[in-house]
Amino acid sequence: EAQVTQNPRYLITVTGKKLTVTCSQNMNHEYMSWYRQDPGLGLRQIYYSMNVEVTDKGDVPEGYKVSRKEKRNFPLILESPSPNQTSLYFCASSSGQGGTEAFFGQGTRLTVV
Amino acid sequence: GQQVMQIPQYQHVQEGEDFTTYCNSSTTLSNIQWYKQRPGGHPVFLIQLVKSGEVKKQKRLTFQFGEAKKNSSLHITATQTTDVGTYFCAGSDSGGYQKVTFGIGTKLQVIP
Repeated sequence: EAQVTQNPRYLITVTGKKLTVTCSQNMNHEYMSWYRQDPGLGLRQIYYSMNVEVTDKGDVPEGYKVSRKEKRNFPLILESPSPNQTSLYFCASSSGQGGTEAFFGQGTRLTVV
Repeated sequence: GQQVMQIPQYQHVQEGEDFTTYCNSSTTLSNIQWYKQRPGGHPVFLIQLVKSGEVKKQKRLTFQFGEAKKNSSLHITATQTTDVGTYFCAGSDSGGYQKVTFGIGTKLQVIP
């Protein structure tokens, strides 16, 4: 089954404790991206990647890092989480090149206290 | 940077009434996509529009892309309770899936 898998689904952490949210897709998609969803602000793109070792900033990259060492994986790293990073995070992948339908993961609800 | 405005933010309709949500971009778009997110769920792709003036239909849903490729609309005829959710437009200002800007979304409530 074609899918994008995020882990964990729920996470409560403390300010400053490094964390990683994993994202994996099994569709051989070149394009992957991370979004955060906040009430009243919709979905905002954090980072995106057009291929292995190619990443670029979205609209709200501050406080986040990503890496794309393999095609299927695109982890989101919060080196020093802060309470304003409490949000619902989605990973998405797409084949791009005109087939830009994006497949979203189930979401990760992160709370930073 | 690119901005995509979407209105209305909320809409309550009686079951059977029509519903429309509108998106306007500050820049010319390469394409626009529409997604639906059910309560507690994740966004699910509905459709992509690429050509100027394009109109596509999916059963009771009609999608339009403006002539200038800066605006788009989603119209639902005779809403049903299964239409409940938040509808997002998402625009790309270059070919392929690169930097994508989502509208704020329109949350639709359907009253039975």
